[in-house]
Amino acid sequence: NAGVTQTPKFQVLKTGQSMTLQCAQDMNHEYMSWYRQDPGMGLRLIHYSVGAGITDQGEVPNGYNVSRSTTEDFPLRLLSAAPSQTSVYFCASSYSILAADTQYFGPGTRLTVL
Amino acid sequence: SQQGEEDPQALSIQEGENATMNCSYKTSINNLQWYRQNSGRGLVHLILIRSNEREKHSGRLRVTLDTSKKSSSLLITASRAADTASYFCAAPSSSNTGKLIFGQGTTLQVKP
Repeated sequence: NAGVTQTPKFQVLKTGQSMTLQCAQDMNHEYMSWYRQDPGMGLRLIHYSVGAGITDQGEVPNGYNVSRSTTEDFPLRLLSAAPSQTSVYFCASSYSILAADTQYFGPGTRLTVL
Repeated sequence: SQQGEEDPQALSIQEGENATMNCSYKTSINNLQWYRQNSGRGLVHLILIRSNEREKHSGRLRVTLDTSKKSSSLLITASRAADTASYFCAAPSSSNTGKLIFGQGTTLQVKP
């Protein structure tokens, strides 16, 4: 199993540009989520999904959209990038929505918005 | 708002010493997890402790949980240079949606 994969690893955008961060998992996990990690802030939940076709907002959803058309994929879209979205983005998945489940993280995407 | 808050924010020790990191959380939980992050990498799950457990071991790791104080600690014994990483506690959010809320993390440096 490849686990959780993310692309790209690095990205530089100009303010106002849009892009999609890709996330895929091959473990047949129901639960997937996106976090952003900023210095001194830990990880903050952006959006999450409990299954195909079902998504919901986390702590910091503004400026981001998600969809979950398949169990495997959970892309994160930035519609109009802003410098405040400069961060490292992590996708994670777990077998179920149970809080006791281990979350498996991707390697991250480092995004810079100029 | 963050569920877990960690202390200290940074810790520097010599190889062979023990490292202790603490985590406090706000609401009642049924479990708490600890994760490790090497520089530039994603987080890796270390250990989960349930609310009915007071202590749990995994190799050189020992985790305690005090639900009355809403706190947990992670002890790494006989540390190695390879233990240099950031360590995060994570607790379920108050809503039963499977969301984990992460602390800010403790950055551990183990000097050879």
